[in-house]
Amino acid sequence: GAVVSQHPSWVICKSGTSVKIECRSLDFQATTMFWYRQFPKQSLMLMATSNEGSKATYEQGVEKDKFLINHASLTLSTLTVTSAHPEDSSFYICSATTGLRVLRGLAGVSYEQYFGPGTRLTVT
Amino acid sequence: AQSVTQLDSQVPVFEEAPVELRCNYSSSVSVYLFWYVQYPNQGLQLLLKYLSGSTLVESINGFEAEFNKSQTSFHLRKPSVHISDTAEYFCAVSRGEYGNKLVFGAGTILRVKS
Repeated sequence: GAVVSQHPSWVICKSGTSVKIECRSLDFQATTMFWYRQFPKQSLMLMATSNEGSKATYEQGVEKDKFLINHASLTLSTLTVTSAHPEDSSFYICSATTGLRVLRGLAGVSYEQYFGPGTRLTVT
Repeated sequence: AQSVTQLDSQVPVFEEAPVELRCNYSSSVSVYLFWYVQYPNQGLQLLLKYLSGSTLVESINGFEAEFNKSQTSFHLRKPSVHISDTAEYFCAVSRGEYGNKLVFGAGTILRVKS
């Protein structure tokens, strides 16, 4: 199946620094990537939708200047948490989707979201 | 706006026993419904989905879920669980096809004991 990776899997940083999280689709081209945030024992909350080559669309209440998203290619999206603070500590998960399924040479239409394993961010 | 409620945060069950993970949703429009599973240290994987047609949908590993419009529910069931089913299960809804935004429930941790 389609594989999405995230790097790093966990990161600890000091308050005030910036952290970049990468999300890669390993065997397919992702026209759209989503970034989620998950607090302990809570739902995944969508932060933003990222389309390749265009600006990300942020959900209400998400600071776009704080959470910078770049989707420069069809296989890579990055989330940069700028000037991180302890309240930004969370589990960040990305997903990727494509309008055309090209896995294993099979042609078809698939819009399924494929999820990465997540990145645990701790800000001290 | 849509919302999803998973009524149980944890469900412990013995191996080979039946299990039901509950999911209720609210929406003013028609929705598509999904169950995702997350095994330890892995990403979410689609378990099954309801888009239209038969209200009973099944997965390849024995889970099934039934869409009940009148009760706005999409409960997940399995008649006999295995140790390997231990994972966290998320119910989700979207207004459109997979590519549209998903709204997730808080998740239910299924712990299968021997």
